[in-house]
Amino acid sequence: QQPVQSPQAVILREGEDAVINCSSSKALYSVHWYRQKHGEAPVFLMILLKGGEQKGHDKISASFNEKKQQSSLYLTASQLSYSGTYFCGILSGGYQKVTFGIGTKLQVIP
Amino acid sequence: ETGVTQTPRHLVMGMTNKKSLKCEQHLGHNAMYWYKQSAKKPLELMFVYSLEERVENNSVPSRFSPECPNSSHLFLHLHTLQPEDSALYLCASSQDNGAANEQFFGPGTRLTVL
Repeated sequence: QQPVQSPQAVILREGEDAVINCSSSKALYSVHWYRQKHGEAPVFLMILLKGGEQKGHDKISASFNEKKQQSSLYLTASQLSYSGTYFCGILSGGYQKVTFGIGTKLQVIP
Repeated sequence: ETGVTQTPRHLVMGMTNKKSLKCEQHLGHNAMYWYKQSAKKPLELMFVYSLEERVENNSVPSRFSPECPNSSHLFLHLHTLQPEDSALYLCASSQDNGAANEQFFGPGTRLTVL
């Protein structure tokens, strides 16, 4: 069953912050975050493992709440380059089988 | 060449045609994947190969037939497709070492079935 992402779309001005949520009805082993720019391939952002710590690089970070079976992606002081569709994927069992959400379309405007 | 490459980038075919999509990874990975991406739908995993063995077949119709001759190459053979099969087909690879690892995606093949 695919994870549920919210919001489905968001528009930000440069410098603003955003949070994208990903929740699952199944117990999670790991949560994967990817970003896809229009006309390009999805690009890996980070993986959060069960029992692991909050991850982040630059001004994008994420958390994983095992009890609530959800993850949140935090984008701080957004830049124009952050625009794209953000996908969360969950590994809840099954061999290397990551099930992706429908995506959150984020647009950063000047 | 680096990363994951896919050919062709665009393909238009009739419902009675037979065609193949090709994927090649230059990353030394041992797992490869086919995904289907349609508008307003999540990425759908179709097939997973690890060490050239198919380990996942996600209830995909038999008109799609994968082939993995070695760890660097993956094909998707297409025959008697339907218009609803029109989509972006993405290939990905990763290093399978028992843990969940990042997947590297190719640029995709945009398929249109007439």
